[in-house]
Amino acid sequence: AQSVTQLDSQVPVFEEAPVELRCNYSSSVSVYLFWYVQYPNQGLQLLLKYLSGSTLVKGINGFEAEFNKSQTSFHLRKPSVHISDTAEYFCAVSVTGRRALTFGSGTRLQVQP
Amino acid sequence: GAGVSQSPRYKVAKRGQDVALRCDPISGHVSLFWYQQALGQGPEFLTYFQNEAQLDKSGLPSDRFFAERPEGSVSTLKIQRTQQEDSAVYLCASSPLFVAEYPPQHFGDGTRLSIL
Repeated sequence: AQSVTQLDSQVPVFEEAPVELRCNYSSSVSVYLFWYVQYPNQGLQLLLKYLSGSTLVKGINGFEAEFNKSQTSFHLRKPSVHISDTAEYFCAVSVTGRRALTFGSGTRLQVQP
Repeated sequence: GAGVSQSPRYKVAKRGQDVALRCDPISGHVSLFWYQQALGQGPEFLTYFQNEAQLDKSGLPSDRFFAERPEGSVSTLKIQRTQQEDSAVYLCASSPLFVAEYPPQHFGDGTRLSIL
């Protein structure tokens, strides 16, 4: 079975500062990796995904993530955050042949002016 | 509408009652997913449909949970004899394709279920 660990439950950061949200996964087979964002009282929105190929993946809203197989990590980064980026961010993994996503417990990004 | 629609948005029920939660996916989407999100947690997979076929129900926590999608579009998640631990937000998602490389991209806003 696979699992996802998001190491930080909350990340406070000032506006226009860079941010990194950490995600580590565990799986005995090859995985697909995803980041989702959830705004209050809303569903999830897909930010980006890693399927194969280049380990640096660019997504929407200026976010990017890098897949590191040796460290089993898929950290999310943004060089300059905005107040509007305040939300909950979830890392997720799926494996070939199974459509179910396994989510981490989430990281709350709090952008302060 | 253009998105995934879930109803009701909020549901309060007494312990022991049955509830039914509805999901209207985006028109034409083949895949439909249900997830359960407890307070302060990430979503947990419940079940998956490809058209009307329920291909994976491994995440349903007990036989009190039942999901259907009889005509391959609207889906209903039913919980019988509700218990307090069923309190959560239930998320529905749909996707146009049915390959593992394409995760659920379109989530509804969820139904917040509170069991008293």
